[in-house]
Amino acid sequence: DVKVTQSSRYLVKRTGEKVFLECVQDMDHENMFWYRQDPGLGLRLIYFSYDVKMKEKGDIPEGYSVSREKKERFSLILESASTNQTSMYLCASGRLLGTDEQFFGPGTRLTVL
Amino acid sequence: AQTVTQSQPEMSVQEAETVTLSCTYDTSESDYYLFWYKQPPSRQMILVIRQEAYKQQNATENRFSVNFQKAAKSFSLKISDSQLGDAAMYFCAYRSPYNTNAGKSTFGDGTTLTVKP
Repeated sequence: DVKVTQSSRYLVKRTGEKVFLECVQDMDHENMFWYRQDPGLGLRLIYFSYDVKMKEKGDIPEGYSVSREKKERFSLILESASTNQTSMYLCASGRLLGTDEQFFGPGTRLTVL
Repeated sequence: AQTVTQSQPEMSVQEAETVTLSCTYDTSESDYYLFWYKQPPSRQMILVIRQEAYKQQNATENRFSVNFQKAAKSFSLKISDSQLGDAAMYFCAYRSPYNTNAGKSTFGDGTTLTVKP
């Protein structure tokens, strides 16, 4: 089975802290994605990566950065956390082409105080 | 850019009955993929069913089936014989097959389905 894991299920941070969210997939997928999920707003794409060291901005990249040094690992970085970044963060992976769906991690619920 | 609209933020169904969740999308592409994902409370999002636009036959997976109307750009999900375990948020998603979009999917805002015993 495809497995996408995220480093934390719940995280509480203070305003101004640097926050790292880690995601690992074990299916050798080219693509990896970071979304945030907020009530009534669905899934919004923050960043995605289609290869090691490659990244593309999604719909809401402001306040975030990403890193992909290895194919299986995709990190989301909040350089200076703010309260409006309190949200559920979902990582996903998938193949670059083809009919395959995206495979999701369990999510990290981040609270910024 | 593609858009996906789920017009029903919440739906409810009695156990053992049938419910249909709506999804419409907008695209200028002729070939694409459509998905329904399920996100149970506090659990991982998983695929329910997929449809390839060039296939006229509607996809079916056990109690889950779709009504794909390509001309109308409509992709509804029908759940038959609803079970308590079907309670979840359901997301409709569109994916272009072309490399320029690098495998991204566009998601709707989701429909929360409640199943009443």
